[in-house]
This record gives sequence, structure tokens and C-alpha cells, in this order.
Amino acid sequence: DVKVTQSSRYLVKRTGEKVFLECVQDMDHENMFWYRQDPGLGLRLIYFSYDVKMKEKGDIPEGYSVSREKKERFSLILESASTNQTSMYLCASSRTGYGYTFGSGTRLTVV
Amino acid sequence: GENVEQHPSTLSVQEGDSAVIKCTYSDSASNYFPWYKQELGKRPQLIIDIRSNVGEKKDQRIAVTLNKTAKHFSLHITETQPEDSAVYFCAATAPVRSGGYQKVTFGTGTKLQVIP
Repeated sequence: DVKVTQSSRYLVKRTGEKVFLECVQDMDHENMFWYRQDPGLGLRLIYFSYDVKMKEKGDIPEGYSVSREKKERFSLILESASTNQTSMYLCASSRTGYGYTFGSGTRLTVV
Repeated sequence: GENVEQHPSTLSVQEGDSAVIKCTYSDSASNYFPWYKQELGKRPQLIIDIRSNVGEKKDQRIAVTLNKTAKHFSLHITETQPEDSAVYFCAATAPVRSGGYQKVTFGTGTKLQVIP
């Protein structure tokens, strides 16, 4: 059973802080994704990566960056957290790009 | 880019009745359509999917239909049970020609409540 693990379930950070969200998958998947989930807006793609050291912008990349130094790990970075980045963040992985396995999510609150 | 619309946003049904959730998409290149179920406080999980060369797929009480001409696809749940209560997301997947990978666009979700 594929496991996608997000390092934190809940995070509270201050405005202006640099925030790191970590995601690790254990099934050698090439593709990894970061989404944010907001009520009424569904799942919106922030960034994705289809190979080590490769990254592509999703639909809402502003204010975020990512890092993929190893195949199993995909990190989302909020360079300077703002209150409008308060959200649920979901990581996902996929071997082919078809059919995702999601992590349990990180609920980030920026105060 | 792809646009996926999902309706309704909320749906309440009596236990034992059927539930139908509908999605439309805009990109005719989309070729894979998964459905995810997200129970309260849990991760979204893939429950059924359909590829563009198939019109219908069934798995016990769940079925998905696809109309490529009209660019819409639907999730059907029969004999609903309280454990079917969740948020359901549809998605459309299209190949990105220049990149050699797939782009997935999600609908905004349907909150299904099954009343015992």
C-alpha cells in the first residue's frame, strides 16, 4: 500500500515566517504534487514535479516554491507566510500521473 | 487550460436512495477521469476512474459514465448508506504535449449527506 506522509498535521506560524512543508512517499513514484484545499474552491495545484530536481508551476504558484532533491521527498516552501496562505495543504504522488495517492494533509494557520 | 465544473455543491439523500454527481470539462484532450472521496478529516481517496475509450464503469454500488461528445461525466451511487457521506471530487486529466506529463484539474467538490 502506497504511503504518502506529510510531516505535520497542524502548524501555526507567524506572518513573515519561512515555512517548510515536507512530503515523503515510499513507492518510488516519479510524480509528486502540492495542492491547497479551501472550502468552495476544491483542490488547486500549487506546484508539481515529474522527476528529481524538476519542478513545474501549477495554477497558483505565487508566494510558494518547492524543492525535490530526492525522488521520495517533495518540499513546499512558503518564503514569507501571509494570512491568505492559511489553508489545508495536500501532497500527492503518482507513478504515471494517472490516479493519485494523497497524504493526510497539513492544516496551516498563519497568524 | 482545462476547466472542470461540478454540480451540485451539496446533496442530501435518504439512506437507500441513489445519488448522482455531475461534472463537465472543457479540454477535449482529457483522457482520464478519476473520482475521489474525502471523508471528514481524512485524505481524498480514489474510488473509481474511467478512461476516454470507455463509456461506463461499475464497481458494486458505484458507477461512472462518460459522454465524450458532450464533455461530461457522472458518478452514480446506488443504495446509499451513511458511510457514503463525504465530499466527492471529480477530476479530468489531460496530456501536456510540450512536457510529456499529465495535468489534472479537479472539480470544486460535492458534499454528500446520507440521512439514516
